Amino acid sequence: GDSVTQMEGPVTLSEEAFLTINCTYTATGYPSLFWYVQYPGEGLQLLLKATKADDKGSNKGFEATYRKETTSFHLEKGSVQVSDSAVYFCALSDDEGGTSYGKLTFGQGTILTVHP
Amino acid sequence: DARVTQTPRHKVTEMGQEVTMRCQPILGHNTVFWYRQTMMQGLELLAYFRNRAPLDDSGMPKDRFSAEMPDATLATLKIQPSEPRDSAVYFCASGLDGQETQYFGPGTRLLVL
Repeated sequence: GDSVTQMEGPVTLSEEAFLTINCTYTATGYPSLFWYVQYPGEGLQLLLKATKADDKGSNKGFEATYRKETTSFHLEKGSVQVSDSAVYFCALSDDEGGTSYGKLTFGQGTILTVHP
Repeated sequence: DARVTQTPRHKVTEMGQEVTMRCQPILGHNTVFWYRQTMMQGLELLAYFRNRAPLDDSGMPKDRFSAEMPDATLATLKIQPSEPRDSAVYFCASGLDGQETQYFGPGTRLLVL
């Protein structure tokens, strides 16, 4: 079955540091890949997505590139801010043979804390 | 600004009591998902609906959990009887058939004593 594996957390950084959160996946079809973010006390929000190999998703300074050869979708940001402190989830949506119900498979989440 | 709403936001109850959580999906969305989030298990998909019909509820304990969509604007998740191990945050999300983005509500934080 489909699965998503994220790097172990938590991740603690100083403001303006470079961020990488690793994500790898296994899927039977041709999945779309997502990063969702969860701020304290809130639900998840879509951060960015990529729907096919070599696509780059980007939003709010975050980027991730769909790498089919390494089955990866690592999240990066060049300079983090305190306000980026949150839990980050990698996820995939598999086409399941052409029937797209939008079902997502999530990774376990990575807690990011950014200090001033 | 269209949002998924969930009620109640917080619920404390005693073991054995019935718990009902409600979700109002974004108007026009026709897929609805229920998730449970705990520190130990992370995010688990409990059930999902398309056009109000249940597509998959294999993630849900059948003996005590039930999920329904009485109409297109309301989804419910019931636990009867509740147990301490049900303590978690329950999220509802909605989306459009054929589009993969899900929009999450703020969650219901449940504590069963």
